[in-house]
Amino acid sequence: GAVVSQHPSRVICKSGTSVKIECRSLDFQATTMFWYRQFPKQSLMLMATSNEGSKATYEQGVEKDKFLINHASLTLSTLTVTSAHPEDSSFYICSARRTPGGGAADTQYFGPGTRLTVL
Amino acid sequence: AQKVTQAQTEISVVEKEDVTLDCVYETRDTTYYLFWYKQPPSGELVFLIRRNSFDEQNEISGRYSWNFQKSTSSFNFTITASQVVDSAVYFCALPIQGAQKLVFGQGTRLTINP
Repeated sequence: GAVVSQHPSRVICKSGTSVKIECRSLDFQATTMFWYRQFPKQSLMLMATSNEGSKATYEQGVEKDKFLINHASLTLSTLTVTSAHPEDSSFYICSARRTPGGGAADTQYFGPGTRLTVL
Repeated sequence: AQKVTQAQTEISVVEKEDVTLDCVYETRDTTYYLFWYKQPPSGELVFLIRRNSFDEQNEISGRYSWNFQKSTSSFNFTITASQVVDSAVYFCALPIQGAQKLVFGQGTRLTINP
């Protein structure tokens, strides 16, 4: 199989604090991981592409200083929401690709998501 | 530009009915892949199928089937004899060639009523 986990599944924090979300590929190595954000009843919005050992590539309009991404190993990527505010409340989902350089042929496997609520 | 359109925002049917979810795409790529994912209420996206543009044969997996029509740029998904557990949001997606990114449709919320 291709299992991706995320931790925590839910987090509630106060405004101004930072929150770290972990994404792990459990049974395969993932050179590329993706971070998405999903608002209620909407589609997934890609935030950034995370490549192991290099800097993440952010989508237009996503603040890189606000959403820090680290992909330090082939099985772990982290997303840190810095100085979170209520408008950052959302459902964050990561995905991982199995094959390096597989391009469009590769399937992305998704984690269960993290629901962030900022008070 | 790559684009995926799922015109059906919500569908509601009674259990055991057949239901088809539409997906129309736009791409400038000559070869490409198409994906369907299921997102149940728990939130996790579950991979259902990947289809290569070279292969226009219909695919069947149990109660699920997919109809790929390159001529109309459609990749429709049919659930036969629907069950309550099929209730979810279903997304069709298309990769951007070379950019490793997926473009998702807006999703179709399917509700199967007992």
